[in-house]
Amino acid sequence: KAGVTQTPRYLIKTRGQQVTLSCSPISGHRSVSWYQQTPGQGLQFLFEYFSETQRNKGNFPGRFSGRQFSNSRSEMNVSTLELGDSALYLCASSDGANPWDTQYFGPGTRLTVL
Amino acid sequence: AQSVTQLGSHVSVSEGALVLLRCNYSSSVPPYLFWYVQYPNQGLQLLLKYTTGATLVKGINGFEAEFKKSETSFHLTKPSAHMSDAAEYFCAVTYTGRRALTFGSGTRLQVQP
Repeated sequence: KAGVTQTPRYLIKTRGQQVTLSCSPISGHRSVSWYQQTPGQGLQFLFEYFSETQRNKGNFPGRFSGRQFSNSRSEMNVSTLELGDSALYLCASSDGANPWDTQYFGPGTRLTVL
Repeated sequence: AQSVTQLGSHVSVSEGALVLLRCNYSSSVPPYLFWYVQYPNQGLQLLLKYTTGATLVKGINGFEAEFKKSETSFHLTKPSAHMSDAAEYFCAVTYTGRRALTFGSGTRLQVQP
């Protein structure tokens, strides 16, 4: 099976712009989670979707949003970009909805905000 | 609230030496524990996980970890380091009712020839 894919791999935006990142989970996986990775804050949970419903949300401002489509593909959107949003955004998929189910990570999208 | 502490942001070992990466967790309920590895410019790859049952967990690439409830620890070990083990390692925890992983700050492993 193909792994988790994320597009684009690299993005450069300027402050105030908005951005949409895409994630295609492993075939058959219905759970998709998003994480932000920065040198200062480390890996932080953004949100999780299962069967098109957001089930969990991390402690991020409302500028961060996401959605999941019927084919399990997911997008996350960041509006009004700030310099601090520069990060590696990782998507992870899982075939189950249990806490102990393995989350398989994609390579990430590296976002740079200038 | 749960948390994970990884002692040592950088660990350096010689090729062939024992690898020991430390992870302590804080959780008021039984935890599920994970170790992930991240190579440069890549995502995270699961090495192993503890859910329930046997406390000694074997993973990929010769790594293993032991869940010690009394010490709230889940240290990662490998008997003999290989150059290809050089990477960043993350310990993570979650528990029943919570899907989000809480990660430690990571340990960068350097392997000297």
